[in-house]
Amino acid sequence: RKEVEQDPGPFNVPEGATVAFNCTYSNSASQSFFWYRQDCRKEPKLLMSVYSSGNEDGRFTAQLNRASQYISLLIRDSKLSDSATYLCVVNSNTGNQFYFGTGTSLTVIP
Amino acid sequence: DAGVIQSPRHEVTEMGQEVTLRCKPISGHDYLFWYRQTMMRGLELLIYFNNNVPIDDSGMPEDRFSAKMPNASFSTLKIQPSEPRDSAVYFCASSMGQGFWTEAFFGQGTRLTVV
Repeated sequence: RKEVEQDPGPFNVPEGATVAFNCTYSNSASQSFFWYRQDCRKEPKLLMSVYSSGNEDGRFTAQLNRASQYISLLIRDSKLSDSATYLCVVNSNTGNQFYFGTGTSLTVIP
Repeated sequence: DAGVIQSPRHEVTEMGQEVTLRCKPISGHDYLFWYRQTMMRGLELLIYFNNNVPIDDSGMPEDRFSAKMPNASFSTLKIQPSEPRDSAVYFCASSMGQGFWTEAFFGQGTRLTVV
């Protein structure tokens, strides 16, 4: 079983829409969680960390459900510039290894 | 800081040839990771180092792959002999410390094509 699993999409949404991505992780002892963003033919970059209490950064909201071992990312009022692949990332319980999901592709349509 | 620097950016080689990918991590970062990304399998962790010492190489696919980190500012990933199925984007990333909330910074990747 993979450490992190995501729905690959693609998600095609109109500008202004709200879109949500989920991912699940297999190791219940995992300690930290992140969403990374990867633009086409570029390297992944940190979008936001995901804290147990949930956290928000502008139009982006991240949630963690430890009991069900899933992480979510909500994007409100989608912009064309949000088009990218979103990678769910889980750090191992030792804090030394980053496990990446295969990514969810988002295209925001004018 | 210039960030994580990888070279070359693109590499096209013939099957059977040796390929060497290079990485310079961010100064002060004590963890270095090598990943491979393909459409089918996403980002796979191949190996990571802590203070220049390989800690986990269980992701290295075969004996044809080897990685070294002779000092804190340089690492190589070598494939010998290369095969067409090795075609992928190879990313190097570095991070600082062992904290659970540390961020991994990626280089721009090396796009490898084996023909």
